[in-house]
Amino acid sequence: KAGVTQTPRYLIKTRGQQVTLSCSPISGHRSVSWYQQTPGQGLQFLFEYFSETQRNKGNFPGRFSGRQFSNSRSEMNVSTLELGDSALYLCASSLLGDFNEQFFGPGTRLTVL
Amino acid sequence: AQRVTQPEKLLSVFKGAPVELKCNYSYSGSPELFWYVQYSRQRLQLLLRHISRESIKGFTADLNKGETSFHLKKPFAQEEDSAMYYCALSRTRNQGGKLIFGQGTELSVKP
Repeated sequence: KAGVTQTPRYLIKTRGQQVTLSCSPISGHRSVSWYQQTPGQGLQFLFEYFSETQRNKGNFPGRFSGRQFSNSRSEMNVSTLELGDSALYLCASSLLGDFNEQFFGPGTRLTVL
Repeated sequence: AQRVTQPEKLLSVFKGAPVELKCNYSYSGSPELFWYVQYSRQRLQLLLRHISRESIKGFTADLNKGETSFHLKKPFAQEEDSAMYYCALSRTRNQGGKLIFGQGTELSVKP
C-alpha cells in the first residue's frame, strides 16, 4: 500500500509570510501526527489529529495550527513565519494513534529567509 | 515532565562488535517505549517497541523501570546497521499518537 505522502517537499519563504503543508496518510489510518525536526531541538511533537479533531498538542505557539479532513488528510499552517521556523516538518500516520506504529512521511523542508 | 535522553550523539564500532545504544527516560506513569531508525536517505521507521518483546534485525531492548532505561543492544554489529537511532516514549494507553523523542544517536559500523 502507498506510504505517507507530504507536499510540497521543499519550500522557501520569507519572514512574516504564512505557509501550508499537506500530509496524506496511509489509507485507513485515522491518526495523523506532526513533528518538527531541527538540528538543535531534534524531533518535537506539534499536534495530533484523529477523526478531524485535535487530540494532542505540543508546546508550540499559536502560530502553528492544523486541521484534518474527513478523508484523514491533514494540513498544518504556520503564520507569521520566523527564521527559527526553518526545519524539516514530518507527518506520521497510524491506524488509531495510541500505541499503534507510526508511519512517517519524507518530510517537507521549510526554509525561512 | 516527560523526557527522553540519549547521551551519545555518535557511536562508532567495528563490524562484529557488540553495540549498545543508551536511552533513559523520565515519566511518572507507565510509558510505552520505542526505538525508531532512519537509514541514509530513508524515512524514519519503527525498529521495535517494548510491548512486543521481539528481536528485530538482531536488536533487542529491555525496559528497566527501576533504572528508567530502554537500551538497544545487538551482539554483533553489521555495516548495514549504520543509521540514526531514536528512542521514543509514548504516554499511557488512550493518550493518542504523541511520541516524545530523544536527540538520537548516530551509529557508525566500520568494516
